[in-house]
Amino acid sequence: QQQVKQSPQSLIVQKGGISIINCAYENTAFDYFPWYQQFPGKGPALLIAIRPDVSEKKEGRFTISFNKSAKQFSLHIMDSQPGDSATYFCAASMVWGNQFYFGTGTSLTVIP
Amino acid sequence: DADVTQTPRNRITKTGKRIMLECSQTKGHDRMYWYRQDPGLGLRLIYYSFDVKDINKGEISDGYSVSRQAQAKFSLSLESAIPNQTALYFCATSVVGSGGVSTDTQYFGPGTRLTVL
Repeated sequence: QQQVKQSPQSLIVQKGGISIINCAYENTAFDYFPWYQQFPGKGPALLIAIRPDVSEKKEGRFTISFNKSAKQFSLHIMDSQPGDSATYFCAASMVWGNQFYFGTGTSLTVIP
Repeated sequence: DADVTQTPRNRITKTGKRIMLECSQTKGHDRMYWYRQDPGLGLRLIYYSFDVKDINKGEISDGYSVSRQAQAKFSLSLESAIPNQTALYFCATSVVGSGGVSTDTQYFGPGTRLTVL
């Protein structure tokens, strides 16, 4: 059973466009929601993270939107660049938690 | 990535063989994890360890075992490899946030690509 459901599986965006990746969860005990970015041949690396006490967090061109009532959160990449082409994973964990639960990943391609 | 190293980076083996994947870290983190990555399935936790004396099963531990030889070393073994264990394997480390709250970033190694024929 997938604890965190992620969509779409793949995404193609023109340079300068907005990339949006969505995730949904069921367990209301989750309280930490990070996004990881993975380039080919590399391990995932933390991109940005949010806690449910805020509805939005922005770091540069990357924004997480969080909807606690809907149990959904999304990653928005503004002004997408070819260098953003990578696989993106959402994840969730809970306070005092021992495990991270990852989504299935989204392969983003930004076309020049 | 240099703070978390994995060996080997690539391995091809045959069904039934015993395989060990090794992970070393210089970050001084207490927590270490083993994940496998499969297309369309994302990252799934195999085992995790919070210190040398603490080993815990993750969601897909069957067919795997681990050893935490030291704070800096965490090995994953496949006692008798089978083809559906063909995957990309990642080691990760983390530290817990203040007060034990889950704010820990996971630092991943570069991965080991394992093929079981």
